[in-house]
Amino acid sequence: GAVVSQHPSWVICKSGTSVKIECRSLDFQATTMFWYRQFPKQSLMLMATSNEGSKATYEQGVEKDKFLINHASLTLSTLTVTSAHPEDSSFYICSARDGAGVLETQYFGPGTRLLVL
Amino acid sequence: GNSVTQMEGPVTLSEEAFLTINCTYTATGYPSLFWYVQYPGEGLQLLLKATKADDKGSNKGFEATYRKETTSFHLEKGSVQVSDSAVYFCALGGVTGANSKLTFGKGITLSVRP
Repeated sequence: GAVVSQHPSWVICKSGTSVKIECRSLDFQATTMFWYRQFPKQSLMLMATSNEGSKATYEQGVEKDKFLINHASLTLSTLTVTSAHPEDSSFYICSARDGAGVLETQYFGPGTRLLVL
Repeated sequence: GNSVTQMEGPVTLSEEAFLTINCTYTATGYPSLFWYVQYPGEGLQLLLKATKADDKGSNKGFEATYRKETTSFHLEKGSVQVSDSAVYFCALGGVTGANSKLTFGKGITLSVRP
């Protein structure tokens, strides 16, 4: 089946630093990638949708200057948390859609746990 | 807007017990419905889906029927195994284009005892 990887799987950083998270589709080309945030015992919250070669579309309430998304190729999207603060600590999950077929299934990465000290 | 409501968890069952996890939704139009499963330490995996009313999705012994009249998509399995221990998410979404975003329920943790 389709595989999506994320790197790193977990990261600890100091407040004020920036952190980059990578999301890769390993065996298919992803026309669209999604970034989610998940708080403990909460649902996945969609942060933004990115299409290869164009600007990401952010959900209401998500700061685009805070969470920079780049989808430069059909197999790679990156999320950069700029000037991270403790409240940005969370579990970040990406998904990728292959665009094939009538119903376009999303394939999810294993997630990246971010802890900002 | 779209929303998904799942029953409160966690759920603990003995092996071979019958499982039902309730899911109801609110949506405009005719969404597709999904169940995703997240095993410990792994990403979400699509478990099953249904794209229209009265469709039944099934996989690995799990089933769910798209009930438009009750706006529900309850997940069932006749005999659970220890390996079914995971977090289960109900979700709804459109087919393509602007409706292709997924809306998730809060998820429910299932633990199956030997």
